[in-house]
Amino acid sequence: EDQVTQSPEALRLQEGESSSLNCSYTVSGLRGLFWYRQDPGKGPEFLFTLYSAGEEKEKERLKATLTKKESFLHITAPKPEDSATYLCAVQDSGGYQKVTFGTGTKLQVIP
Amino acid sequence: EPEVTQTPSHQVTQMGQEVILRCVPISNHLYFYWYRQILGQKVEFLVSFYNNEISEKSEIFDDQFSVERPDGSNFTLKIRSTKLEDSAMYFCASSEQGGETQYFGPGTRLLVL
Repeated sequence: EDQVTQSPEALRLQEGESSSLNCSYTVSGLRGLFWYRQDPGKGPEFLFTLYSAGEEKEKERLKATLTKKESFLHITAPKPEDSATYLCAVQDSGGYQKVTFGTGTKLQVIP
Repeated sequence: EPEVTQTPSHQVTQMGQEVILRCVPISNHLYFYWYRQILGQKVEFLVSFYNNEISEKSEIFDDQFSVERPDGSNFTLKIRSTKLEDSAMYFCASSEQGGETQYFGPGTRLLVL
């Protein structure tokens, strides 16, 4: 069964203080790993899709990386508007469509 | 930018009543999904739908649940006889193909009393 574990559960940063969020995953074969941002009471907002180890994607202050066992979401010089819960999810390559989510990392950026 | 829309945003119902949650997926997408998120918990897969039939479902998606694409734009989730534990946010998602990125709607908050 696919599993996704995210750490830390919560992270508090000062504005401008860079950090990384971790996502460890277990799948029989990886079709894709996804990062989403979720604001309170809202739906997951797509950030990145990574398909193979070594792949990296960037968007503004965010950079996602992937290895065979984990993914990192690096946040450089965060701003208060980056405060949200960041969700990691995986899709198995076994012909299935479902995406398995982790519990998320709740990020708070203090001005 | 195309987006998934859902109605209603909030739904309050009595236990045992039927509810229908509605979604309009992104227009050129072929795969549609429903997920739920109980307050404080992770997002959980319910069902995927392709070519007018269910392609995959989870253990949560029992006989009380059904999905339908009644016309060319809407995708619905019906819960026949709601239970207290059905209270959750329900998210619709869609993707161009089965293995591609899923885009989520804003959700319907369902409260069963």
